[in-house]
Amino acid sequence: QKEVEQNSGPLSVPEGAIASLNCTYSDRGSQSFFWYRQYSGKSPELIMSIYSNGDKEDGRFTAQLNKASQYVSLLIRDSQPSDSATYLCAVNTNAGKSTFGDGTTLTVKP
Amino acid sequence: KAGVTQTPRYLIKTRGQQVTLSCSPISGHRSVSWYQQTPGQGLQFLFEYFSETQRNKGNFPGRFSGRQFSNSRSEMNVSTLELGDSALYLCASSLETGSETQYFGPGTRLLVL
Repeated sequence: QKEVEQNSGPLSVPEGAIASLNCTYSDRGSQSFFWYRQYSGKSPELIMSIYSNGDKEDGRFTAQLNKASQYVSLLIRDSQPSDSATYLCAVNTNAGKSTFGDGTTLTVKP
Repeated sequence: KAGVTQTPRYLIKTRGQQVTLSCSPISGHRSVSWYQQTPGQGLQFLFEYFSETQRNKGNFPGRFSGRQFSNSRSEMNVSTLELGDSALYLCASSLETGSETQYFGPGTRLLVL
């Protein structure tokens, strides 16, 4: 089992729809959770960080964390073609080690 | 503030050679992490340096090594290059070690022939 698993893509949604990206992790000691967006040919850039159970909203993006279920998700509301990218889930353990999922490629169709 | 910079951006080497990649973190950031990204394996953690000390290490062979200088700049070295080392090597900096947000550089694309 991989340490961080993301729902297999690619994921395609129409413009204006909600895109839902999911991630599960195996290390119960994990404390910090991040979503990065990576455009083709570019390096990852941080979208959201979340540290405690519940929802965290930032504009059109909402991160959800459930430590009991070892699950973290990212919702993108009103998806735009510019949201088309690969989304990486990253989990940090107490020891500071970062583990990334393989990413989910999202395509938003106009 | 200037972002994370990496040099060189592109590199072509042959099997058996060695290579050194450089990373300059955001000013004030003391932690530097290195990652290897390939289409098949995704983003793999290589190691993290903080205050000139290696804090964490991923599951890579000893051919991969690194160091950090007193100004927080970091270098990564790969000796005896193999074809499978062809990848995008990303450096990320953060203020402190541990649970901090990481900011990625543009990467060095290495091709081993």
